[in-house]
Amino acid sequence: KNEVEQSPQNLTAQEGEFITINCSYSVGISALHWLQQHPGGGIVSLFMLSSGKKKHGRLIATINIQEKHSSLHITASHPRDSAVYICAARRGNYGGSQGNLIFGKGTKLSVKP
Amino acid sequence: DVKVTQSSRYLVKRTGEKVFLECVQDMDHENMFWYRQDPGLGLRLIYFSYDVKMKEKGDIPEGYSVSREKKERFSLILESASTNQTSMYLCASSQTGYPTNEKLFFGSGTQLSVL
Repeated sequence: KNEVEQSPQNLTAQEGEFITINCSYSVGISALHWLQQHPGGGIVSLFMLSSGKKKHGRLIATINIQEKHSSLHITASHPRDSAVYICAARRGNYGGSQGNLIFGKGTKLSVKP
Repeated sequence: DVKVTQSSRYLVKRTGEKVFLECVQDMDHENMFWYRQDPGLGLRLIYFSYDVKMKEKGDIPEGYSVSREKKERFSLILESASTNQTSMYLCASSQTGYPTNEKLFFGSGTQLSVL
């Protein structure tokens, strides 16, 4: 079993739908990242969370440390949201390098017009 | 905005060749990383560096080496390329600091094919 599991692996939605992508982890972490990878390879960092919730535009990320679970929500989804979404859990304590990130395998999202 | 630049977008090499992948970042970040990304496996860390001339092995360092002679540049070297090193290679950088400053910046990737 992977230390970081994402679900679903693939997700197809209609434009305007509310989308949820889940990330569960089995190790103790100090932070969790959500990343977005568009076709062509470029990866963009969306959020870094250590507790609670963060919002940026139509994107909302939440984390529950006790349940070892994080979710990424997209409201009013749009075809340009089509991408692979990756969560990455950071082991250990703050202050060190990020060489101890464990990546999920990604969720491929397709939003149809 | 931070820019992380990888020298090549696509690269085709022969088995046994020595391959250099270059990565340059322009924001004075301490930390730099090399990952490879394969279908079904996700991102895996090859090496990382937290300072000039400093390097640490990641999860899959075998067959690779790295060089960081200047803060802005982190090179990945395949001493003798093999077909199982065909992959997408991604460089990233980040600033060490308080948690709110932790953000990874990625290059656009190099798709390496070893024939």
